Amino acid sequence: DAGVTQSPTHLIKTRGQQVTLRCSPKSGHDTVSWYQQALGQGPQFIFQYYEEEERQRGNFPDRFSGHQFPNYSSELNVNALLLGDSALYLCASSQQGREYFGAGTRLSVL
Amino acid sequence: GENVEQHPSTLSVQEGDSAVIKCTYSDSASNYFPWYKQELGKRPQLIIDIRSNVGEKKDQRIAVTLNKTAKHFSLHITETQPEDSAVYFCAASSPGGSNYKLTFGKGTLLTVNP
Repeated sequence: DAGVTQSPTHLIKTRGQQVTLRCSPKSGHDTVSWYQQALGQGPQFIFQYYEEEERQRGNFPDRFSGHQFPNYSSELNVNALLLGDSALYLCASSQQGREYFGAGTRLSVL
Repeated sequence: GENVEQHPSTLSVQEGDSAVIKCTYSDSASNYFPWYKQELGKRPQLIIDIRSNVGEKKDQRIAVTLNKTAKHFSLHITETQPEDSAVYFCAASSPGGSNYKLTFGKGTLLTVNP
């Protein structure tokens, strides 16, 4: 049984560009959450998707958007990238509350 | 919103000693408290969790205690081993629908010296 998978593992972009990150949840999980983890910090909640809709959102600007597909996989899109968007982006899938994380996508904005 | 404070930020122990990490939370409505272990360059791994209707939970060398009145919870690791070395994060869940939004502490770097 595959766990949570994310792609790509690493990404380098320049300021102003747009990026799309992808996540496949653990088998049987219907909820996907996205987190941003800056170096030396705990993960910060971006948003959560359930039944293809954004259920909850953290304190992130509208440049951060997402999508969930009928097979429960999800995408995170970030527009107009800033240097401060450089971080590890983690996807977590859950069912009945327990969240399991993917290995993350390391985004570097130059 | 929820705010989670975690202490200490670094903890160094000798192999075989116990380690305790403490967290406080602000939202009295929070009802789910997981702990994650993150080794360098790896994903956060759920190691134990507790819900607000329980005061203590144990899993082999790991235990978590919860004091709802004081709004704090703690991770206890006994008989520490070098492979316990990692960053540990506590989190609290703010209820929102049937699933949860986690707010994390800033982490504790635990080093177990052989």
